[in-house]
Amino acid sequence: DAEITQSPRHKITETGRQVTLACHQTWNHNNMFWYRQDLGHGLRLIHYSYGVQDTNKGEVSDGYSVSRSNTEDLPLTLESAASSQTSVYFCASSVSGQTEAFFGQGTRLTVV
Amino acid sequence: RKEVEQDPGPFNVPEGATVAFNCTYSNSASQSFFWYRQDCRKEPKLLMSVYSSGNEDGRFTAQLNRASQYISLLIRDSKLSDSATYLCAVNLVNAGNMLTFGGGTRLMVKP
Repeated sequence: DAEITQSPRHKITETGRQVTLACHQTWNHNNMFWYRQDLGHGLRLIHYSYGVQDTNKGEVSDGYSVSRSNTEDLPLTLESAASSQTSVYFCASSVSGQTEAFFGQGTRLTVV
Repeated sequence: RKEVEQDPGPFNVPEGATVAFNCTYSNSASQSFFWYRQDCRKEPKLLMSVYSSGNEDGRFTAQLNRASQYISLLIRDSKLSDSATYLCAVNLVNAGNMLTFGGGTRLMVKP
């Protein structure tokens, strides 16, 4: 079955380190999104992509970057991890031109 | 004011009860609307889309009120397994294919 997977599921890292969270989908969706979810803030959009080589900033993009070299993957990089980036990160994807999005299982990141 | 808002709850209801949640959105030209369900420490899962004429899926009914800029989710005959957080999602005008989410409404169904 087609799916969207995130790895790792849990990660603890130190302040200042570079961290990359992986997102891989096998639906051949052009649209991919990264959200973070925090108590009191709900789901907030970090970055998104509508296709290969396309990346765009979302509401809370500072300190994060993404790259889209193929349809299946949208890795999220934290350039220099900060404690404020401790959160649960969700990747999502949708069909081009559609807004109905499907989520990966999430990555719980702790920055110490 | 947030672009998409929900009452965080929790809504505590007995099994068998009918419960309804609303979600307000800021822009009247918003195009598409969804309800997601999120269980504790899990990913949001699409529950249903919300159509202009309203739509039903089993015990769940979704409605859109464009004039007052809100969507609603009605759950009839609540089950213990309905306990979760319900997120509304809106494709705001000029937002491409992006969804903006409300903060979620927590539902707890008690025996």
